[in-house]
Order: sequence, then structure tokens, then C-alpha cells
Amino acid sequence: QKEVEQDPGPLSVPEGAIVSLNCTYSNSAFQYFMWYRQYSRKGPELLMYTYSSGNKEDGRFTAQVDKSSKYISLFIRDSQPSDSATYLCATMKTSYDKVIFGPGTSLSVIP
Amino acid sequence: ETGVTQSPTHLIKTRGQQVTLRCSSQSGHNTVSWYQQALGQGPQFIFQYYREEENGRGNFPPRFSGLQFPNYSSELNVNALELDDSALYLCASSQDSSNSPLHFGNGTRLTVT
Repeated sequence: QKEVEQDPGPLSVPEGAIVSLNCTYSNSAFQYFMWYRQYSRKGPELLMYTYSSGNKEDGRFTAQVDKSSKYISLFIRDSQPSDSATYLCATMKTSYDKVIFGPGTSLSVIP
Repeated sequence: ETGVTQSPTHLIKTRGQQVTLRCSSQSGHNTVSWYQQALGQGPQFIFQYYREEENGRGNFPPRFSGLQFPNYSSELNVNALELDDSALYLCASSQDSSNSPLHFGNGTRLTVT
């Protein structure tokens, strides 16, 4: 079993839709949870960073972590064509531990 | 503020050859991590360098090695290239061996034929 799993997609939505991206993880020792966005031919960029369970909101993006079910979600409101990218969930045990990435979900937002 | 830069952007090598990839960390960052991203997969941790010493290594064979220089720039060396080494190699910089957060470069696309 991989440590972090996510549906690879591709996911295609119309502009303005609410997008839900999800990950599961296997190790209860993971404490830090991140979402990275990766455009084609670019490196990943950090979108959201959370510690332990709970919600975090930043503009149109909301990250949710449910440690009891080992489930991580990213919601994108009012999706835009510029949101078209691959979204990578990631986790680590401590802030000094290696970052473990999921395989990524490819998202296309259609105008 | 200068971001993470990697060179070259693309590289084609033959199986059995050796390759060196280079990375300049973001201004003010003293830690460099290297990741391998195969097509359709997430990045996989290769190793991290902090204060010119290896500070953690992932599940990669010894033919993957690295260096960090006093100016915090770094090299990734891969010997005896195999076809499966074809991937995007990403360098990320951070502060004081922390991974919170990682700042990635745009990678070097390596193709092994």
C-alpha cells in the first residue's frame, strides 16, 4: 500500500464549478499536510499548509484534514481556467522529515 | 528575491553514462533537497543536503550521489544510468533543514535511451 494515494483523474469541470480533490494516507504518524499545484513543465508550488486536523482557508481554496479517517481534501471555489494543473497532496511526520507526495490529480477547468 | 534555478532544463543520455544536474537555491536558503518525478507520479525524495552534509536519504541506490557547496548550491550525480532513471529531477530549497515550506525549481527533464 502506498503511503499517500489520490485519484489521478483527469478531472474536467466547467468554469465556476466547485472542485473537490481528495487524498488518503496510511500512517497515523503524519502531522503536516500540504497541497502543491504543478503546472505543465513547471515545478510544484505550495498552495496550502496545515498542521494536524481541521480546516484552513485561503481565498478560493480550503484545505481539510480529518486525521481520524486519514483523509485530506482541497476545495476550490469558483474555479478558473488558470486553476488547470496537477494537484499534489503531500504529508510529513515532522517539519524536518522528508515530504511524501501523492501521485497527483490532473484538473482541467473548461471556459 | 531569486528563486530556485536548475540546469540544464533538458538532457538526453545513453544507458550506462553518468550525469550531473545543478541547482542554485533560493536566496537565504541553506538546505537543498532533490526529488525524482516519473511521468504521471508524484515527486519521490532522493536526499537532502544541509551545511554541505547529506541530511537524510530516500530509497535510492548509491549511484545517486550529491554535493552541496559553501554557497548552498548543489549537484545531483547519477552513475551507470538506467532507462528507469528517465524522469523530471526537481531541486527544492528551504531553511535550516526544515521542509516547511519547500521551494521548487522547474526541474531537469532527463531522458535515458
